[in-house]
Amino acid sequence: DAGVTQSPTHLIKTRGQQVTLRCSPKSGHDTVSWYQQALGQGPQFIFQYYEEEERQRGNFPDRFSGHQFPNYSSELNVNALLLGDSALYLCASSLVYSPEQFFGPGTRLTVL
Amino acid sequence: QQQVKQSPQSLIVQKGGISIINCAYENTAFDYFPWYQQFPGKGPALLIAIRPDVSEKKEGRFTISFNKSAKQFSLHIMDSQPGDSATYFCAASNYPSYGKLTFGQGTILTVHP
Repeated sequence: DAGVTQSPTHLIKTRGQQVTLRCSPKSGHDTVSWYQQALGQGPQFIFQYYEEEERQRGNFPDRFSGHQFPNYSSELNVNALLLGDSALYLCASSLVYSPEQFFGPGTRLTVL
Repeated sequence: QQQVKQSPQSLIVQKGGISIINCAYENTAFDYFPWYQQFPGKGPALLIAIRPDVSEKKEGRFTISFNKSAKQFSLHIMDSQPGDSATYFCAASNYPSYGKLTFGQGTILTVHP
C-alpha cells in the first residue's frame, strides 16, 4: 500500500517564476492538505482540498493556489516566487473527518 | 489563540534515559493532539496522539500525558535509543477542521550511545 507521494523531490527556481508541486494521497484517502515548512520551523498550514474544492485556508497570500483532481491527487501552485518561499512543501492526506494526517516526504523548493 | 508552544528547543539524553518534551496550547476548541517524528530530509511521521477525554496514552516506549485544565501535554520517550534521534513536533487540531494542524516549533532530540 503506497503512502503519500510527492513530486518532484527538489526544485530550484528564480524569483518571479511560477512553480507547480504534485501530491498523490495514501490509498483510500479523499482529502489533501498542504503545508510549508521553513528550515528549523514547524509546518504551517496552507490549505486543504476535498471534493475538488478548497475547504479551508491558512494565512497565505493568493499567490498560493491549488487544485484537486477526481482521483484525489492534488497540485500546489505558487506564482511570483519570492526568496522567502524557499521551504519544504509537505502534503498530507486523510479521510475527510478523520484527525489522522499522513505526510509525504515533501518537495524542497529553493528560490534564488 | 491558535499557537502551540513547545519546549525545549533541543534535548540531549543518554541511551536508556527518559526524554520529555512539553507543549502548551491556547485554543480550548482543540480536541486532537498528535506528536510527529521527523528525520532529516523526510516528512513528519505520526507517532502517537491523544484526545482530551483521557489523561494518558501509552504505545510501546512512547507516552503522552495530557492536562486539560493546564492546557498542556507532553511526550515521554522511555529507554531512549540512538535511533530516536530526530526532531519531534507536537500539534493540535479540532473538528471539523482536522486537516488544519497547528504545530509547535519542534524539539531536536539527540540520544548519545
